[in-house]
Amino acid sequence: EAQVTQNPRYLITVTGKKLTVTCSQNMNHEYMSWYRQDPGLGLRQIYYSMNVEVTDKGDVPEGYKVSRKEKRNFPLILESPSPNQTSLYFCASSLQGRPGYGYTFGSGTRLTVV
Amino acid sequence: QQPVQSPQAVILREGEDAVINCSSSKALYSVHWYRQKHGEAPVFLMILLKGGEQKGHEKISASFNEKKQQSSLYLTASQLSYSGTYFCGTGNTGKLIFGQGTTLQVKP
Repeated sequence: EAQVTQNPRYLITVTGKKLTVTCSQNMNHEYMSWYRQDPGLGLRQIYYSMNVEVTDKGDVPEGYKVSRKEKRNFPLILESPSPNQTSLYFCASSLQGRPGYGYTFGSGTRLTVV
Repeated sequence: QQPVQSPQAVILREGEDAVINCSSSKALYSVHWYRQKHGEAPVFLMILLKGGEQKGHEKISASFNEKKQQSSLYLTASQLSYSGTYFCGTGNTGKLIFGQGTTLQVKP
């Protein structure tokens, strides 16, 4: 089944403890992206990648890191999480430059930083 | 810059029509539309690539006016399954910026 898989689905952590949220897609998509969703603010883009080793900042990149060493994987790294990073995170992927194709989203990761 | 959606929320009865608008202060080259049901991930509905183009399937369609820098999503004869939050997104497929969302509730 074509899908974007995020892990974990739920995570509670403490301030300052490094964590990684994994994202993997099995559709051979070039584009991958991370979004965070907060009430009243909609979906805000953190980072995106247009292919292996090609990443760029979205609108809210502060406090986050990403890497794209393989086409299928795009992990989101929080080096020193803070409570303001408590949010619902979505990973998404898309075919590059194909008319009619939008993003396929993962199921989401609900992160709580205490 | 984040596109602006209107209205923020709408409540309908089954069978009624709705229009959701998305406007941008920057030139638009494409507009995406997504629907997110409560507790689920957003799901891609359609993308509009040309000015004035109208796309859609079944009873959900959309238009895109480049000159006015806006897009509208049309939901005809709403069904209960149409309930959810609708987002428009602008930019290229890599850097895609979403509006704040429009919550649609369809009642029996």
